[in-house]
Amino acid sequence: GQNIDQPTEMTATEGAIVQINCTYQTSGFNGLFWYQQHAGEAPTFLSYNVLDGLEEKGRFSSFLSRSKGYSYLLLKELQMKDSASYLCAPYYNQGGKLIFGQGTELSVKP
Amino acid sequence: DTGVSQDPRHKITKRGQNVTFRCDPISEHNRLYWYRQTLGQGPEFLTYFQNEAQLEKSRLLSDRFSAERPKGSFSTLEIQRTEQGDSAMYLCASSLARQEAFFGQGTRLTVV
Repeated sequence: GQNIDQPTEMTATEGAIVQINCTYQTSGFNGLFWYQQHAGEAPTFLSYNVLDGLEEKGRFSSFLSRSKGYSYLLLKELQMKDSASYLCAPYYNQGGKLIFGQGTELSVKP
Repeated sequence: DTGVSQDPRHKITKRGQNVTFRCDPISEHNRLYWYRQTLGQGPEFLTYFQNEAQLEKSRLLSDRFSAERPKGSFSTLEIQRTEQGDSAMYLCASSLARQEAFFGQGTRLTVV
């Protein structure tokens, strides 16, 4: 397997910043996606990192370290609507398939 | 294009029956994925296609599961002799190679 590891649950306060970490197997690694999934809905694309470094997109940023097999998703100025599951999904050259972690359930409280 | 569509949205079936689900991907996408998701878990990879070729099938998938993508367009996922453990949300996604996958709304299967 690809040994994807991310925390099961996190809680944060409205207006705060939260960082969701993900580690994965590096062998055959190509890039990494982050998806958001609200309860009862399909996952939606947030970001894609191929190169090392930080990619910023509005309130959401994603970081990748290829050598360490590590990524994080940073959410700023949290809003109640950010309460959702956040899925780390590394993409591997061998087979070219997209594999998802178990997801991190984020609860944003007032 | 209206995105990835799946049919039906809900299916209730008796144990032992066969079921078939359909996925219509975004038209220009050459990759199509099937996943299964249960409550509190991330999507579990089942299989994927590049055009009409099935490139990989999960080793966790029993022989009761089969998928096709004739002519590289829509895809079907069939489950034979359903079991209660097959109850889950079945998600389909499509993409261009090495680009983000877009998901359909899923088919929720309940085996009674």
